[in-house]
Amino acid sequence: ILNVEQSPQSLHVQEGDSTNFTCSFPSSNFYALHWYRWETAKSPEALFVMTLNGDEKKKGRISATLNTKEGYSYLYIKGSQPEDSATYLCAFISYGGSQGNLIFGKGTKLSVKP
Amino acid sequence: KAGVTQTPRYLIKTRGQQVTLSCSPISGHRSVSWYQQTPGQGLQFLFEYFSETQRNKGNFPGRFSGRQFSNSRSEMNVSTLELGDSALYLCASSRTPRLAGDQETQYFGPGTRLLVL
Repeated sequence: ILNVEQSPQSLHVQEGDSTNFTCSFPSSNFYALHWYRWETAKSPEALFVMTLNGDEKKKGRISATLNTKEGYSYLYIKGSQPEDSATYLCAFISYGGSQGNLIFGKGTKLSVKP
Repeated sequence: KAGVTQTPRYLIKTRGQQVTLSCSPISGHRSVSWYQQTPGQGLQFLFEYFSETQRNKGNFPGRFSGRQFSNSRSEMNVSTLELGDSALYLCASSRTPRLAGDQETQYFGPGTRLLVL
């Protein structure tokens, strides 16, 4: 069974702090990794789709890196703002037995205090 | 462009009943995926449809089924409801299916919250 782990489970930071969290996934049969932001009472919103080892993507103050050989991705938020408060999900797609299936981690819940 | 819509938004059913949920993708999107979210379990993939064909299926019992129509709208059906089926059901659409070469962003709908009593 493919497993995607996210850490930490939750994070409380002050406005202006920079923060990062981790998504770990199986390093074999990698196809793609997705990052989503899910605010309470809203739909998950796609942040990044990453496919190549060494990929770095950026969207405003949020960026992500990918290491497919060791099976991890980092999401960074620079200068956190209260509106960044959300659960950040990563999802892994493999070529393997569950090919095509999007396997989600349980998310990192970020709370940014003003 | 209108986003992904799901109906109904909330539903209460009793054990043993069956339920049908509907998802209308973004115009031009032909791939629709369904997910279940339960507390503590996170989002779990149910199935993906593209051009009226089921392309991928998650690890759910046969009570969970779906279909897609020629206009790309999709329905998900759960028969013989159990208490554990209480969850938020999300659908997501994209232009192309998974493993189609270029990885496409998925756009999620607001979800249907199902409560089974």
